[in-house]
Amino acid sequence: DAGVIQSPRHEVTEMGQEVTLRCKPISGHDYLFWYRQTMMRGLELLIYFNNNVPIDDSGMPEDRFSAKMPNASFSTLKIQPSEPRDSAVYFCASSLTTSPGTDTQYFGPGTRLTVL
Amino acid sequence: DQQVKQNSPSLSVQEGRISILNCDYTNSMFDYFLWYKKYPAEGPTFLISISSIKDKNEDGRFTVFLNKSAKHLSLHIVPSQPGDSAVYFCAVRFINTDKLIFGTGTRLQVFP
Repeated sequence: DAGVIQSPRHEVTEMGQEVTLRCKPISGHDYLFWYRQTMMRGLELLIYFNNNVPIDDSGMPEDRFSAKMPNASFSTLKIQPSEPRDSAVYFCASSLTTSPGTDTQYFGPGTRLTVL
Repeated sequence: DQQVKQNSPSLSVQEGRISILNCDYTNSMFDYFLWYKKYPAEGPTFLISISSIKDKNEDGRFTVFLNKSAKHLSLHIVPSQPGDSAVYFCAVRFINTDKLIFGTGTRLQVFP
């Protein structure tokens, strides 16, 4: 199994530009999560999907952030327009719900975003 | 407001000794408590978890303790090995959801 795949691994952009981060979950997993990691706040949950449907987007910081999951094998996180304070590592994770306590999340390698 | 706090940003331990990582939480609406480990340039990986109905869970060198009255979670690693050097995140799961809340992480360094 290839694990969770994220692209790009690194992204450097200028303030005001649109940024799109991509994620391919593990095949067969029915949950997909987007997180942001910063030094100050650690790992923050932004949004998660179940069977391609957004369940909880309360962690999305602003309207500049949007996420989609058009099918079971692909999701995007878009920031438009980007700002320097969006600089962080963005992780995608997926899980297969079997029973409580065993539905561990599998994380991708992350995308390091730098907004100049 | 942080619902999950790891007050020690870093910890240094000698190889062979015990490492104790701590985590405090503020909400009682959690049913599972987890630890994840993260190496540089990689995503976090699941390490061990414990249900709210238990107070201890062991897996090899790793033991997680839960003190519900104190709203405190700890991870013990014994004996510590250099390969354990990583950032450790505690996480809590809201009851009957799949939503995890993570702490800020503790960087563990195990030296020879």
